Amino acid sequence: GENVEQHPSTLSVQEGDSAVIKCTYSDSASNYFPWYKQELGKGPQLIIDIRSNVGEKKDQRIAVTLNKTAKHFSLHITETQPEDSAVYFCAALSNTGNQFYFGTGTSLTVIP
Amino acid sequence: SQTIHQWPATLVQPVGSPLSLECTVEGTSNPNLYWYRQAAGRGLQLLFYSVGIGQISSEVPQNLSASRPQDRQFILSSKKLLLSDSGFYLCAWSGGVGPQYFGPGTRLLVL
Repeated sequence: GENVEQHPSTLSVQEGDSAVIKCTYSDSASNYFPWYKQELGKGPQLIIDIRSNVGEKKDQRIAVTLNKTAKHFSLHITETQPEDSAVYFCAALSNTGNQFYFGTGTSLTVIP
Repeated sequence: SQTIHQWPATLVQPVGSPLSLECTVEGTSNPNLYWYRQAAGRGLQLLFYSVGIGQISSEVPQNLSASRPQDRQFILSSKKLLLSDSGFYLCAWSGGVGPQYFGPGTRLLVL
């Protein structure tokens, strides 16, 4: 099955700086990679996703890049704000199944 | 718009007691439904998913079970809780593959 690894597990940045979270996956058949943001005590929210036929996708201050050859994808947050503080999860959907494989999460703290 | 509800929000149960967590979805029909468990400091573990009424797929062997008695209702149950069942339980739905929208979660503590 798929194995998704996520780094770092914790990340602290100064407000206004950029944050980058990286994930690797093992199943080359995976074709859909969403990112979720989970605030304290709440369920995760889908914030951005990318499909395997695209190398980069941007939505305001958030961008995701995908390197299919190296089997890794990254979340980039620019001009970070305190409200970006949360746990972020990456996931990979295998083309062979109906489930996502999640990374173990990155706790992002934006310091005002 | 679509809304997903879960209850209760928190639950403290003794070991060996039964469990019933409920999830309902509004604003959509024939959704794919999912139950996930999130242990403290860990990622999301898929427990069950359902593509239709009465259709349940289990991903992890355990003492939990799931049922889907109605199109937009998904129930997670146990006859006898274990200490290891403590965690944050999340229901999710999607119109396609994989979870798109998560509910607010139920925090379960088994003592």
